[in-house]
Amino acid sequence: GAGVSQSPRYKVAKRGQDVALRCDPISGHVSLFWYQQALGQGPEFLTYFQNEAQLDKSGLPSDRFFAERPEGSVSTLKIQRTQQEDSAVYLCASSLVITPTANYGYTFGSGTRLTVV
Amino acid sequence: AQRVTQPEKLLSVFKGAPVELKCNYSYSGSPELFWYVQYSRQRLQLLLRHISRESIKGFTADLNKGETSFHLKKPFAQEEDSAMYYCALRREYGNKLVFGAGTILRVKS
Repeated sequence: GAGVSQSPRYKVAKRGQDVALRCDPISGHVSLFWYQQALGQGPEFLTYFQNEAQLDKSGLPSDRFFAERPEGSVSTLKIQRTQQEDSAVYLCASSLVITPTANYGYTFGSGTRLTVV
Repeated sequence: AQRVTQPEKLLSVFKGAPVELKCNYSYSGSPELFWYVQYSRQRLQLLLRHISRESIKGFTADLNKGETSFHLKKPFAQEEDSAMYYCALRREYGNKLVFGAGTILRVKS
């Protein structure tokens, strides 16, 4: 597609519910990142995929968070047993190359706003 | 660990006034620094990067390694510059970004 697409745009979950957030990167993009942006804060890194391989998951805050990209394109971020502190905007970004350069940078999606009540 | 600090949550200036958005970082190696901008109801997009040494929409930023700063400047603010601005750092040989908390720039007419 023309850009990075994320769905749903908004999600309200009851505490304890499981949620799945989807990211459709630009076709052919090798690198895919997930970031979490709490209210009033900048985005914080969660995890990184190079094609289907999850090479860095150091930012995942707990074992309730799980991400996958099984075919190296679409990625899903799953949060189990959601808590109020999980409320945030979840951003996905993709890049054509492994280490973005001047000509091939990151493209961000519009994000999914998750509210846990 | 790397850290990016943007000390101002909100910067309000009049149209035509100079703008400086502050950004300081902590990282012992040779980082790559970026400014990202998010206009109302739009997605995050790259404004400029220190390696390119270019001016975008009249904005410039110089990496000062001695002061570990990467302040964003524009000599004459315009109303369309009103947005949220994030400073971000990437480690050498890395690919993930570390963002500051952001500064809202409000340009008043």
